[in-house]
Amino acid sequence: EDKVVQSPLSLVVHEGDTVTLNCSYEVTNFRSLLWYKQEKKAPTFLFMLTSSGIEKKSGRLSSILDKKELFSILNITATQTGDSAIYLCAVISGAGSYQLTFGKGTKLSVIP
Amino acid sequence: DTAVSQTPKYLVTQMGNDKSIKCEQNLGHDTMYWYKQDSKKFLKIMFSYNNKELIINETVPNRFSPKSPDKAHLNLHINSLELGDSAVYFCASSLALRETQYFGPGTRLLVL
Repeated sequence: EDKVVQSPLSLVVHEGDTVTLNCSYEVTNFRSLLWYKQEKKAPTFLFMLTSSGIEKKSGRLSSILDKKELFSILNITATQTGDSAIYLCAVISGAGSYQLTFGKGTKLSVIP
Repeated sequence: DTAVSQTPKYLVTQMGNDKSIKCEQNLGHDTMYWYKQDSKKFLKIMFSYNNKELIINETVPNRFSPKSPDKAHLNLHINSLELGDSAVYFCASSLALRETQYFGPGTRLLVL
């Protein structure tokens, strides 16, 4: 059974801190790993990672995938209160038809 | 038996037209989704529909409207098609929010 594990489950930091969120996976026929930010309703897409070692960057957020060690990290630098959300990691796997398996998420709270 | 099916598989149409893509799942799932995969192969969630609650990703133009006649069906209607709508659209379903999602085969839309 495919498994995606995120850590920590929750995190409280002060504005300006840098945080690293972790996602490890065990899946059959890995295809891609996705990071989402979920504040209230639908998750918002952040990154899609397919190749190892290539950092994806968007503003203060960056992410990298290690396909050998089967994990990904999401970094947020100079955190702001608006970064408070649940960050979801999901893995697309499968040979013929695909499936998308989510981790349970990391709840990030940024306090002023 | 196909678990998640989409029709049509290919759709070629002209700008300004209105079109629908249909999705059906026979897995007894409560939650269905629409994703858009663009030319860079990024897979982005558009909508998720959980029982009677429609969750809208606010970045999706309101020309896109999901319609769910019942729990097993989630159709995507697109008004006034634009060139940038060309993409592969995937439907998926899961038992509940954030449970493993199972994808349909995709609908390749080309707007001329």
